Amino acid sequence: GAVVSQHPSRVICKSGTSVKIECRSLDFQATTMFWYRQFPKQSLMLMATSNEGSKATYEQGVEKDKFLINHASLTLSTLTVTSAHPEDSSFYICSAETRGTDTQYFGPGTRLTVL
Amino acid sequence: AQSVTQLDSHVSVSEGTPVLLRCNYSSSYSPSLFWYVQHPNKGLQLLLKYTSAATLVKGINGFEAEFKKSETSFHLTKPSAHMSDAAEYFCVVRPNTNAGKSTFGDGTTLTVKP
Repeated sequence: GAVVSQHPSRVICKSGTSVKIECRSLDFQATTMFWYRQFPKQSLMLMATSNEGSKATYEQGVEKDKFLINHASLTLSTLTVTSAHPEDSSFYICSAETRGTDTQYFGPGTRLTVL
Repeated sequence: AQSVTQLDSHVSVSEGTPVLLRCNYSSSYSPSLFWYVQHPNKGLQLLLKYTSAATLVKGINGFEAEFKKSETSFHLTKPSAHMSDAAEYFCVVRPNTNAGKSTFGDGTTLTVKP
């Protein structure tokens, strides 16, 4: 149980285009989902927290207009990187949990490369 | 406020020998503590968690960790390392409050030599 999937696993795009990453909880209801960014050889940096049906809460320094997060259902959250630039290239990881529990389950990550 | 310190950025052991990955934490609230493992280009997999029940927590793949409040530590151990244990390990603390955020350690890279 507690499986989280991400799609795509890898994406390469041109500078200026937008990319959407999906995060799905496959066997549980994810009332809360988290989006992280991870640079090589570094720990995870929390970008935003999204609760189902409400607006995401972004961490300080994260541009909400650039990283659009939607959490429209209990099993799906999406992260859209708008007008991507090479500095947005990174490994993006989502996690999901059920309200009232304290354990996050992580997706396998998405490697974004912006040319 | 809370913080996590993983005391070793790299640990190298020989296959079949014990593993010790050290983690110290601080938290204003009674915390939950977690260890996750990440293999290259993969997401994080939960190894074990402590949530104020037994102080010795057993996890998957033979790992266990002991919560020591007096030392504010939550070290991860395994009696005998396997080649497949080579990965990045993260210690995570989360306060037991509503909307408590997780704080991640910087990670420890475990290398297992044949």
